[in-house]
Amino acid sequence: DQQVKQNSPSLSVQEGRISILNCDYTNSMFDYFLWYKKYPAEGPTFLISISSIKDKNEDGRFTVFLNKSAKHLSLHIVPSQPGDSAVYFCAASSNTGNQFYFGTGTSLTVIP
Amino acid sequence: NAGVTQTPKFQVLKTGQSMTLQCAQDMNHNSMYWYRQDPGMGLRLIYYSASEGTTDKGEVPNGYNVSRLNKREFSLRLESAAPSQTSVYFCASSDVAPKVTFGSGTRLTVV
Repeated sequence: DQQVKQNSPSLSVQEGRISILNCDYTNSMFDYFLWYKKYPAEGPTFLISISSIKDKNEDGRFTVFLNKSAKHLSLHIVPSQPGDSAVYFCAASSNTGNQFYFGTGTSLTVIP
Repeated sequence: NAGVTQTPKFQVLKTGQSMTLQCAQDMNHNSMYWYRQDPGMGLRLIYYSASEGTTDKGEVPNGYNVSRLNKREFSLRLESAAPSQTSVYFCASSDVAPKVTFGSGTRLTVV
């Protein structure tokens, strides 16, 4: 059963607007969460992460929010740029860090 | 700075054939992983190696074997390929968990 879920397979946003990508998880033992970005024919690249002791982490245009009680995290991209068009995966792990569970991905298209 | 290198990039196999996917990292990472990516399924962990000399099963290990040859290299073997193993395979490594660095992938088709 999928422990990390991304229920929106795709998202389209106008350039300059905010992109919000969502992710839900079921395992309460997860305490570290990551977002990866993937372009076609390339491997995923790390984007941003958050530990369960925080509820927000920012890195430039990218902010990740964590709601532990709802088992939900989101990635905000502001402002969105055409180069942000890619597939975004969220991932989660427990404190052992040896297994990472990935969601199914959301394909973001930023329209110029 | 090569990072994680996977070979080959593309492969077509006939059902029942065997092959080994190679992976090497030059970041002196302790942990290495093999994932497969299928449409609508995300990335699923096949096997991982927390350190040289150890390997463990992930979510979908059936039909695969792995070898952690040394700290740098982690290979994935398909002994008797099946069409269900058609997928994109990613090798990855990490040092200070839980950030993972991925290779560029191997696209495998089993006919």
